[in-house]
Amino acid sequence: QSVLTQPPSVSGAPGQRVTISCTGSSSNIGAGYDVHWYQQLPGTAPKLLIYGNSNRPSGVPDRFSGSKSGTSASLAITGLQAEDEADYYCQSYDSSLSLVFGGGTKLTVL
Amino acid sequence: EVQLVQSGAEVKKPGESLKISCKGSGYSFTSYWIGWVRQMPGKGLEWMGIIYPGDSDTRYSPSFQGQVTISADKSISTAYLQWSSLKASDTAMYYCARQTPSSLDYWGQGTLVTVSS
Repeated sequence: QSVLTQPPSVSGAPGQRVTISCTGSSSNIGAGYDVHWYQQLPGTAPKLLIYGNSNRPSGVPDRFSGSKSGTSASLAITGLQAEDEADYYCQSYDSSLSLVFGGGTKLTVL
Repeated sequence: EVQLVQSGAEVKKPGESLKISCKGSGYSFTSYWIGWVRQMPGKGLEWMGIIYPGDSDTRYSPSFQGQVTISADKSISTAYLQWSSLKASDTAMYYCARQTPSSLDYWGQGTLVTVSS
């Protein structure tokens, strides 16, 4: 049972837009802590995709965007491409003094 | 270029001890926290704890406190994760990552630990 809740799977056709939600509580996202997103391609280590709710590290395409409101956050991917097929994880900080992750969402490009 | 290079895969028996490593390069190793993350087979990511190599200040997730030990040797820019008595349930991929300050911006390639009799 993960502290942050994500849908297990989402899917979309090439070129479409998909969103992945991440729901927390008043002890993590709702307490004002930043949300970060990671992309894990099959068989590889996770990679930072979005940091500080909505910022992209250098090299991440602007097709990826993040937002946060209240106790939730979202990752949006526009212009879906085959290479976007991966697992996506949200992450925040919790008042239990731990980093916490969502359970992960598997994105399938149809 | 920031790099974190982890030690190779391990196969151990229950009850054995193990220490895996994570060597940083391309940045000031003593100025950033290093975190460890567990990923059990087919499962999600779990944060285990962090260490600040500059002074070895260490914090653990409540879920992992007492189960593992995190350490570092700043003279060789290396962080460690160790177990004194492995269990089958420790079978997982373990990642180290640079933590800045609440995100994990660079990750190692992972170390697969298999515990089986």
